[in-house]
Amino acid sequence: DAGVIQSPRHEVTEMGQEVTLRCKPISGHDYLFWYRQTMMRGLELLIYFNNNVPIDDSGMPEDRFSAKMPNASFSTLKIQPSEPRDSAVYFCASSLSGAGEQYFGPGTRLTVT
Amino acid sequence: AQSVTQLGSHVSVSEGALVLLRCNYSSSVPPYLFWYVQYPNQGLQLLLKYTSAATLVKGINGFEAEFKKSETSFHLTKPSAHMSDAAEYFCAVRGASGNTPLVFGKGTRLSVIA
Repeated sequence: DAGVIQSPRHEVTEMGQEVTLRCKPISGHDYLFWYRQTMMRGLELLIYFNNNVPIDDSGMPEDRFSAKMPNASFSTLKIQPSEPRDSAVYFCASSLSGAGEQYFGPGTRLTVT
Repeated sequence: AQSVTQLGSHVSVSEGALVLLRCNYSSSVPPYLFWYVQYPNQGLQLLLKYTSAATLVKGINGFEAEFKKSETSFHLTKPSAHMSDAAEYFCAVRGASGNTPLVFGKGTRLSVIA
């Protein structure tokens, strides 16, 4: 298996622009997680899905952030409008069960200028 | 409630020395415990996991961890550090129910000095 795939790997954008991050989970995994990692706040769980349905989005920082999972093999995390404080590495992970080990993608490094 | 405490945000060891990274947990259910490693500019990678079988768990790259219920600990060790072990290490505990996600610690950065 190719593992969790994320794109793009790097994104540089200007404040106010829309940013879309993409994730393809491991085939057969029913759970998908989005995380944000910064030096100041560490690793934060933003939202997770089970069978394409959002289960808990309490970690989404603001209404500017939204996530969708239109099918079992694709998810997006959108930031609109983006702000400099959104600069971080965003990880997608997937797992067979909610409480089981998660498999992480390589991350998307987002820089908002 | 599920929680993990990693003692020491940064640990520095000499090459060839023992590596000991500490993790204490709190869990309202029988715990499943995990150690992940994150190399620079990469995602988290599973090192090893404890799921109620043997209390001494062996992982990749010569790492192992011992589950001690009486101490609520799951410390990660490696007998001899290598330069390539320099990374961030995260301890995690499973969620309180079958559908709640892992709870991660804040991570420990391991530096290896030549």
